Amino acid sequence: ELKVEQNPLFLSMQEGKNYTIYCNYSTTSDRLYWYRQDPGKSLESLFVLLSNGAVKQEGRLMASLDTKARLSTLHITAAVHDLSATYFCAVDGNRDDKIIFGKGTRLHILP
Amino acid sequence: EAQVTQNPRYLITVTGKKLTVTCSQNMNHEYMSWYRQDPGLGLRQIYYSMNVEVTDKGDVPEGYKVSRKEKRNFPLILESPSPNQTSLYFCASSPHRVNEQFFGPGTRLTVL
Repeated sequence: ELKVEQNPLFLSMQEGKNYTIYCNYSTTSDRLYWYRQDPGKSLESLFVLLSNGAVKQEGRLMASLDTKARLSTLHITAAVHDLSATYFCAVDGNRDDKIIFGKGTRLHILP
Repeated sequence: EAQVTQNPRYLITVTGKKLTVTCSQNMNHEYMSWYRQDPGLGLRQIYYSMNVEVTDKGDVPEGYKVSRKEKRNFPLILESPSPNQTSLYFCASSPHRVNEQFFGPGTRLTVL
């Protein structure tokens, strides 16, 4: 059974700092997605990672995928307040068509 | 405008009263899915559909039904709602399974 674990679940950090959110999953998969959710809003797609070693960058966010380690990271560079949100990773299991989400990382960036 | 719509956006109902939450997308997407979001549990997949007339159970299907008679619509049916189905529900679609999903605005359901 595919399980997806994110950590940390809560993160409070200051503007200008760097940090990384981790997403571990339990079974083989080479398809991983990152989403952002603002308070009271729906989810929007950030990155789609479809192969081992995939790296995607958008502004201050960079996501990578290591399928051998079953690990994806979302790195935040020089955080700004606008990046405050909850970030979810989601994994597409190879053996079935289900998509399993992590519990989310609530990121609070202090000015 | 390309979008996923859900109705109603808010619903308060009582235990046992059948209800349907509609979901529609105008992007000709093949894959559609329903999720529920609960505090501390993230999003959990209820049902998904790979295409018309093809549906399958997600992680938490108990107490829910779906149908996919047309490509654009994917309604979620609660035949006999119970208080533990109080939650925030999201519908999502994608061109095919291996792709980012586009989410609807959400439906906040309260079952008394």
